Amino acid sequence: DAGITQSPRYKITETGRQVTLMCHQTWSHSYMFWYRQDLGHGLRLIYYSAAADITDKGEVPDGYVVSRSKTENFPLTLESATRSQTSVYFCASSELGALPGANVLTFGAGSRLTVL
Amino acid sequence: AQSVAQPEDQVNVAEGNPLTVKCTYSVSGNPYLFWYVQYPNRGLQFLLKYITGDNLVKGSYGFEAEFNKSQTSFHLKKPSALVSDSALYFCAVRDMPTGANNLFFGTGTRLTVIP
Repeated sequence: DAGITQSPRYKITETGRQVTLMCHQTWSHSYMFWYRQDLGHGLRLIYYSAAADITDKGEVPDGYVVSRSKTENFPLTLESATRSQTSVYFCASSELGALPGANVLTFGAGSRLTVL
Repeated sequence: AQSVAQPEDQVNVAEGNPLTVKCTYSVSGNPYLFWYVQYPNRGLQFLLKYITGDNLVKGSYGFEAEFNKSQTSFHLKKPSALVSDSALYFCAVRDMPTGANNLFFGTGTRLTVIP
């Protein structure tokens, strides 16, 4: 299926556990992003990646780790989950800046994470 | 630093009436501006963008937005609201040129269209 897929869609975990949220895109977009959505904050950027093996911090990176060994995958790991990381997480992708479709982010359906 | 403000958490409008969802921005250079819509339990969907050119931008589902540089605003508008337009709307900005292709989002405005 074409598009951007996130898994799992729903996850409940306990404080201190490691959690990995997966993101897979089929467009070969260069850029990929992880946002978290919280009431009153809108979407805040956690990490982004400009290409395979290139990642950079966003606005709220603490407590998260990312990797991008392949262009199509961009997993987000919470190494030791905390209650403040309860949120809805969105993965997104976009083309390089100079192309016609650039700057338009395409989002996955989201992963709702609850940390007890 | 770039930022986006959506001053209204909630907008209610009667079906068939015109709607406006407000957005103001702050950037150091020329902005790229976007509107996205989010339906329940879904990811955000792109509506329209302003990069350069005409200040009035037309997008999906009959929406349009007007870029006003002097007021640093990019309000979303639609001449006649539909019940199906009820959703959460996000304004976003990218300060260009920057090295990153990422957007900064506002806190969102929940639009409710009343039948």
